[in-house]
Amino acid sequence: GAVVSQHPSRVICKSGTSVKIECRSLDFQATTMFWYRQFPKQSLMLMATSNEGSKATYEQGVEKDKFLINHASLTLSTLTVTSAHPEDSSFYICSAPRRDTQYFGPGTRLTVL
Amino acid sequence: SQELEQSPQSLIVQEGKNLTINCTSSKTLYGLYWYKQKYGEGLIFLMMLQKGGEEKSHEKITAKLDEKKQQSSLHITASQPSHAGIYLCGAENAGGTSYGKLTFGQGTILTVHP
Repeated sequence: GAVVSQHPSRVICKSGTSVKIECRSLDFQATTMFWYRQFPKQSLMLMATSNEGSKATYEQGVEKDKFLINHASLTLSTLTVTSAHPEDSSFYICSAPRRDTQYFGPGTRLTVL
Repeated sequence: SQELEQSPQSLIVQEGKNLTINCTSSKTLYGLYWYKQKYGEGLIFLMMLQKGGEEKSHEKITAKLDEKKQQSSLHITASQPSHAGIYLCGAENAGGTSYGKLTFGQGTILTVHP
């Protein structure tokens, strides 16, 4: 069964609004989670590392003020895309480590109109 | 930074045929993952290799990591339409601070005709 869940699976929003995406580890704790972004017909690119109890660390070129990450508990990380624009439209997917293996969520398709 | 090159980029085979997908790294691999993805969906974990020369199998899929730990191959025996999808290799960068951070290859699109 699923090890990592994401919500929502799809979201459509207007330009300028903020969107929150949740990533949950199911039946295990994850002090670290990872957020990736995938553009159409491209591979996954790591955006940031979500750390429970401390600030997230962002990869080069990723705006921390635009992509807010909060690791609220040992099973939940949230990614908020602030003031979303059409170029933020993408597939966002999170991962969490369990027993030395990285498990990925089902992803969230964000479309910004 | 580490780069992963997958080949071929796409593959079309007839059901029942064997196939191989390769993943080559510019640096030594510390943890090589194979995932399968259906377009617009999440990644399904297939296998993870760490040791040089390691080989793992699950059902009709076998993955190997070469002795030098710079190349991995994924082999599917007697392919079925259910094997169709995008196969991605992902690797951890060396060093403790990079644990869990994966760099991915560009993916191989597999089509299996019945």
